[in-house]
Order: sequence, then structure tokens, then C-alpha cells
Amino acid sequence: AQKVTQAQTEISVVEKEDVTLDCVYETRDTTYYLFWYKQPPSGELVFLIRRNSFDEQNEISGRYSWNFQKSTSSFNFTITASQVVDSAVYFCALSEARGSGSRLTFGEGTQLTVNP
Amino acid sequence: GAVVSQHPSWVICKSGTSVKIECRSLDFQATTMFWYRQFPKQSLMLMATSNEGSKATYEQGVEKDKFLINHASLTLSTLTVTSAHPEDSSFYICSARDKGARALSSGNTIYFGEGSWLTVV
Repeated sequence: AQKVTQAQTEISVVEKEDVTLDCVYETRDTTYYLFWYKQPPSGELVFLIRRNSFDEQNEISGRYSWNFQKSTSSFNFTITASQVVDSAVYFCALSEARGSGSRLTFGEGTQLTVNP
Repeated sequence: GAVVSQHPSWVICKSGTSVKIECRSLDFQATTMFWYRQFPKQSLMLMATSNEGSKATYEQGVEKDKFLINHASLTLSTLTVTSAHPEDSSFYICSARDKGARALSSGNTIYFGEGSWLTVV
């Protein structure tokens, strides 16, 4: 069985602060994918990143960065110099690589509020 | 990138009636689509896997006779909530995988629709 845990239910920061959203996962698969999505109040899911379990390189995209630590089963997400527009719910998700590889198990989500 | 379109975005229906939600892959074929449900301030939970040309696979606890799924073509899956009740009010969202996307890339290969807000009154 797969499980994704986002222990931080809500985080509130002031604009320009850095913030890290934690994600810990459990899976018996040796090959899997990890994802992060942003969900604004309108509801749509905005894709942020997909990471293959064999690729432990950290990734940076603008103000966003991701730290994948297979040894601790964590895939944390950091926003540098946060902005008000970053306010949203962020979901970490896991999918197995076998089969369609598209069946996602989501974490509970972290509500991020960035205050001006 | 690939696009998945979901319709309607918002729907209000009376208790006891049925409502249909459509999920279309606009520029790719999807033999498999997924339906998720999200209650307010909760996570997304997979309801069922929609398979083109065959029966859907439902997750444990999801009533297949209440949530009818039809995947009649490679670009369209529909979810019908039958005899809807207020407790069915939720956000429903579908996804599909673009099998043509490079699996080794770190880019997106799973595309979500915009979601549908269902309110049963």
C-alpha cells in the first residue's frame, strides 16, 4: 500500500520568507514517481514537478526547489522569497511506475498562506 | 502540453436527480482515465479507474451503482452521479495520462481536468 504524509496542515509566512513544505511517503515499489501540485481556491491542480525514484538529483525551478531524499523517503518542497500569489494548497503525490503509472495517492495537503 | 477538459465546471442539482460530468482529452488519446473526489479542506481521493471499452475499476468503499462511469471512446470518460444527495456535494476531478509523453523526462505526463463543483440541494 502506498501512503503520502504531509504533516504540516497549515503554514503562514510573511512575504519574502523562505518556506519548506514537507512530504514523506511510503511504498513497496522500487520504481515510482513523486509529484507536487498547487491547488488555488478555484480548484484546478497545477503541476509543479514529477520525479522518478531513480533520479535523486535535487531540482530548482526559479523560486521553487525540491529535495528528494530516498534514504528518508522524503520529497520536500521549498519556496524561496515567497510571494502572496504562492498562497494555495500544495499536494504531494505518489504513483507506482508499473501499470499505467498514473494512479495517484495524494497527501493531505498543506495550506500555505503568504501574508503581505 | 496536453489538455484535459472537464464539463461542467459548476453544477447544482436537486436531491434525487442524476448529474453527468464529462472528461475529455483534447489532443491525445487516453485508454485510462481516473476520477477523484475532494471534500472541502480534504485531500483528493481516487474513486475509480475508467478503462476505454471495459468496465471501470472502483476503489474500496465507492458505490459503483451510484457513480456510473462510461469510457466509450479514447477521448471521453463520463461520471454520472445517480440519485444525488447532499452528501455527494464535492469537487470531482478527472485525470488522464498522455502515453505519448516521454516517460523518462521529469515533465508532466498526467493531466488533470479543471474539476467540477457539484452541489446537491
